[in-house]
Amino acid sequence: NAGVTQTPKFQVLKTGQSMTLQCAQDMNHNSMYWYRQDPGMGLRLIYYSASEGTTDKGEVPNGYNVSRLNKREFSLRLESAAPSQTSVYFCASSENRGLSGNTIYFGEGSWLTVV
Amino acid sequence: AQSVTQPDIHITVSEGASLELRCNYSYGATPYLFWYVQSPGQGLQLLLKYFSGDTLVQGIKGFEAEFKRSQSSFNLRKPSVHWSDAAEYFCAVGTSGTYKYIFGTGTRLKVLA
Repeated sequence: NAGVTQTPKFQVLKTGQSMTLQCAQDMNHNSMYWYRQDPGMGLRLIYYSASEGTTDKGEVPNGYNVSRLNKREFSLRLESAAPSQTSVYFCASSENRGLSGNTIYFGEGSWLTVV
Repeated sequence: AQSVTQPDIHITVSEGASLELRCNYSYGATPYLFWYVQSPGQGLQLLLKYFSGDTLVQGIKGFEAEFKRSQSSFNLRKPSVHWSDAAEYFCAVGTSGTYKYIFGTGTRLKVLA
């Protein structure tokens, strides 16, 4: 029962470095999401992919890029990391096929610190 | 644009007391509404969801929520809180078509023994 798997779980970056957060789901879901969680801010949507081959900006896309590599995988890239990107990142997925398929399932999170 | 407001940042209740967590949303059409719970250091777990039909929905762990269209609210309730319910609770709204889900800022629940 893997569900949504994201790597790495922890990462420390220096300002200006780049890195990619990987996410994969094994539930054959159509839609995938990247959120960041900061104290007092809740979860904010960075980017999402409603279906394979499409990506759209969320609430806080600046400084990030995404790739929906295939139906299973959705990666998040920080091209030039900044301290403001220190956060916990959650990948999520949803079937989004009819009313009953609209539950979002989350990964366990990736803790990213930019120094 | 859709939005979610959870007006209470922190709530403290005694074990055995009743609980109500507030959630208000903004969305033009009928939304999909969710409550999630997050324990420290963990991901988010779905408590319950509303898509259509009966406006009172039952979830896991004894939680329920009521959708009130006239008040744009989806408040979470539990009649008797257990110490293990201490966690952070998030309300979320989703839309058909765009499949975009927006979360509130969360309410952190503390339970006193």
